[in-house]
Amino acid sequence: QVQLVESGGGVVQPGGSLRLSCAASGFSFSSYDMHWVRQAPGKGLEWVAIIWYHGTDKYYADSVKGRFTISRDNSKNTLYLQMSSLRAEDTAVYYCAKTFMYGMDVWGQGTTVTVSS
Amino acid sequence: QSALTQPPSASGSPGQSVTISCIGTNSDVGDYNYVSWYQQHPGKAPKLMIYEVTERPSGVPDRFSGSKSGNTASLTVSGLQAEDEAVYYCSSYAGSNNWVFGGGTKLTVL
Repeated sequence: QVQLVESGGGVVQPGGSLRLSCAASGFSFSSYDMHWVRQAPGKGLEWVAIIWYHGTDKYYADSVKGRFTISRDNSKNTLYLQMSSLRAEDTAVYYCAKTFMYGMDVWGQGTTVTVSS
Repeated sequence: QSALTQPPSASGSPGQSVTISCIGTNSDVGDYNYVSWYQQHPGKAPKLMIYEVTERPSGVPDRFSGSKSGNTASLTVSGLQAEDEAVYYCSSYAGSNNWVFGGGTKLTVL
């Protein structure tokens, strides 16, 4: 079945780095643009970044621009989010999501990132 | 990239209809027919309920419908059922490969 599984979350100190992964299965991963979306504890959803299906075009929310890098390996059906210079306000559940008609039709279960000293 | 504006809460009795609004600007909701709605139950991932303002993905009941007028999009849930109790988020394409979400509306089935 169509599935996205995130991993790589954890506790990191302010200023630290972390790399999230999202393993895709059940669909032609290389044909779809992919998003990262996050949700701070008790808060709403926030769009983070998108990477086009071919991997060469990447766009970011202002809140993470210059600190986060989205990438993908279509040979491994995997999406990544490299996060650096992490701040307390980056604490959230991070979801990967598949693009569908300018929406997001498949979501992972999320991975939790906590930025704390 | 300002968030879309949603009411924090909405409610209705079983069988009734409820409408949730989503106010954007002429740079997002008003400029593109790319509004989506998501349902999120506690501890779960969001689920796509509506895309392109009015379209329902396969498997979403026709009790859920979407519309848009100007800078305001709306989600209507008809024939409310207990399992519809959740938080609903709107989202819009905002141009230049950016997306924006609303703050979420907690729907309570009384």
